[in-house]
Amino acid sequence: QVQLQESGPGLVKPSETLSLTCTVSGGSINSNTYYWGWIRQPPGKGLEWIGTIYSGGSAYYNPSLKSRLTMSVDTSNNQFSLKLNSVTAADTAVFYCARVVFGYYYMDVWGKGTTVTVSS
Amino acid sequence: EIVLTQSPGTLSLSPGERATLSCRASQSVSSTYLDWYQQKPGQAPRLLIYAASSRATGIPDRFSGSGSGTDFTLTISRLEPEDFAVYYCQQYGSSLWTFGQGTKVELK
Repeated sequence: QVQLQESGPGLVKPSETLSLTCTVSGGSINSNTYYWGWIRQPPGKGLEWIGTIYSGGSAYYNPSLKSRLTMSVDTSNNQFSLKLNSVTAADTAVFYCARVVFGYYYMDVWGKGTTVTVSS
Repeated sequence: EIVLTQSPGTLSLSPGERATLSCRASQSVSSTYLDWYQQKPGQAPRLLIYAASSRATGIPDRFSGSGSGTDFTLTISRLEPEDFAVYYCQQYGSSLWTFGQGTKVELK
C-alpha cells in the first residue's frame, strides 16, 4: 500500500526559501499511472492546490505561486520536492503531498501533512 | 481559472438526516474531473467521490455524487456520527486544479 510522508523545516524566516520533500513508500514514483502533487491549507482555511509534477519532470503550477515555485522529482530516492522562495507569513500552512491519478486527476493518497510556519 | 463555489458554508444536521452539498463551477467542468473530499480536524483530506459520481475504494454507499456542467452535488443519505466533517469539491482542467472553499457539516 502506497504511503506518502512529508518532511522539512517547521519554521522558515520571511524572505527565505521553504523546502519540503515527500517520500513515497510502497510503490514507485517512476510510474506512468500517477502524477504527484502538493496542496496547502492555511490555519483555519480551505485547501489550495500548489502544483503537480510527473516523474518525467513536467510540472504544473498554481498561477498565483508560479513565480516563486519550483518542483522536482528524485526517482533514485523515490521522492519529490517543492521549493517556495521569498516566503511571507501568508505562506504559513499545513502542506500535504498527494498522489494524483493520471487520466482522472483526482488525489487518491495523501500524506499526513506537515506544518510550516513563516516567522522571524 | 475555474472557480468552485460551495454552498451552504455550514450545514447543521442531526444523525440520520440527509445532507445535500452543492458545488457550482464558474464555467463548465467535465464530469470526469470533478471530485469530492472529506476532511476531519487534524487529518488529511480523504477522497470520497471521483468523476462526479464514482465512490472511492472503501467509501460507504450512503455517499453519492451527481451533477454535470456547472452544478454538482454530494449527498449523504443518512448521516452517521463519523460524517460530521468538512467537505471539499475539486476540479481539474487545462493543467490546473482548484478546490471549493468547503462545506462544514456540523452536529445540530
